[in-house]
Amino acid sequence: KAGVTQTPRYLIKTRGQQVTLSCSPISGHRSVSWYQQTPGQGLQFLFEYFSETQRNKGNFPGRFSGRQFSNSRSEMNVSTLELGDSALYLCASSLAASVGNTIYFGEGSWLTVV
Amino acid sequence: GQSLEQPSEVTAVEGAIVQINCTYQTSGFYGLSWYQQHDGGAPTFLSYNGLDGLEETGRFSSFLSRSDSYGYLLLQELQMKDSASYFCAVRSSGSARQLTFGSGTQLTVLP
Repeated sequence: KAGVTQTPRYLIKTRGQQVTLSCSPISGHRSVSWYQQTPGQGLQFLFEYFSETQRNKGNFPGRFSGRQFSNSRSEMNVSTLELGDSALYLCASSLAASVGNTIYFGEGSWLTVV
Repeated sequence: GQSLEQPSEVTAVEGAIVQINCTYQTSGFYGLSWYQQHDGGAPTFLSYNGLDGLEETGRFSSFLSRSDSYGYLLLQELQMKDSASYFCAVRSSGSARQLTFGSGTQLTVLP
């Protein structure tokens, strides 16, 4: 079956703009989590959604937000972009929320803020 | 919260065995897992230890000791394609139950 799909794969934005990234989980998976990855850094947890509800949130400012739709697809939004927001944003899906250690990542969205 | 420490870089030659260590601090967790990420690619799940001891999956093995707050990933018969970043991860059993990753170990396999 199809894996986790993220769009767009690459994008360039200007400081102050906002961006919306999309994630379609593996069919049947109801949990979606988002991570930010910067060069030399690990994967920093952003948030996790299950059944359209945010279950966990990482230590990021309020400019970072997300949502999940009834079909389990998820979007994350970053407003008032800063140069430091340049990163690879990874979405991962799993069957259930907040349990287990096996999650399946998409290829990510590369965001460059100039 | 949780914190995990891994070496930032490890280098080994083809055919060799390499061990990547992960020490963690967490009040309680479900288990330790490992992910592999090639440059420009998505992290992929490698191994999971829910209980203490050794888990073997082909050339890869993973070990967990809860009493020592320590685990490792063992890669045998190294191949060039094993050059990648390796991340350990834990999911806390507390109220904040997100999956937390270490900062990753860049493995370079030399010919």
